[in-house]
Amino acid sequence: DTEVTQTPKHLVMGMTNKKSLKCEQHMGHRAMYWYKQKAKKPPELMFVYSYEKLSINESVPSRFSPECPNSSLLNLHLHALQPEDSALYLCASSPWTGKMDTEAFFGQGTRLTVV
Amino acid sequence: RKEVEQDPGPFNVPEGATVAFNCTYSNSASQSFFWYRQDCRKEPKLLMSVYSSGNEDGRFTAQLNRASQYISLLIRDSKLSDSATYLCVVRNTGNQFYFGTGTSLTVIP
Repeated sequence: DTEVTQTPKHLVMGMTNKKSLKCEQHMGHRAMYWYKQKAKKPPELMFVYSYEKLSINESVPSRFSPECPNSSLLNLHLHALQPEDSALYLCASSPWTGKMDTEAFFGQGTRLTVV
Repeated sequence: RKEVEQDPGPFNVPEGATVAFNCTYSNSASQSFFWYRQDCRKEPKLLMSVYSSGNEDGRFTAQLNRASQYISLLIRDSKLSDSATYLCVVRNTGNQFYFGTGTSLTVIP
C-alpha cells in the first residue's frame, strides 16, 4: 500500500463553520505533512509532524489546528476561516530515517472553498 | 529569501524537442533533491530523485551541483504526455520538503 488517502475530496464551508480534513497512510511513515496550494502556485508547507509530535509550524494562523492521533492519521481542524483560505490542502508522508533521499508521497488533496 | 527558486516558464515546445529546467536552492545544508511533476488539479508525484553524480531515467536526466546549489532537469524527445508543471523540491535536515515555484511545460503537436 503506497497511498496517502485524504477525505473529503471537496469541502465547502462557511466562515463560522468548524470542519476537519483527514489524512491516512499505512506505509509506516513517521513524518507527515500538511501543505496549502493556491491556484497556479506551488505547495506551501504548513506543518510537519514527526513521530506524532508537531516539529514544524510555518507560522500558520491559529484558525488551522493540526492533530496527529496516531502514526497513521493526520487531521487538520478548521475554524473561522476566511475566503482567502480557499485552496487545495495536500497531505504528505515520508519515512523518517537516516536515508535522506526518500521522497514525500502526496494524497490527492482536499479542495476547500470558504464562502 | 525563498528556499528554492525556479525558472518561471512557461515553456511551449514542439514534440521531439529537448527542454531544460533549472533550479537553485538557498540552504547549503539541504540533504536531498527531487523533481516532481504535477498535472492540472492533481497532486504532485515524484518524477525522479536527483543524485550528486547525476542520474538518468529514460528520456529524463537530472543533475545536481552542490557547490553552485543548482539542480537541473533535461527532457529529451518531448512527448505530448510530458505537458505538466515540473516542481523542483529540496529536503532539508529538518525533514521539510520545500517546493520551487514550478515550471509549466506544454508540448505542442
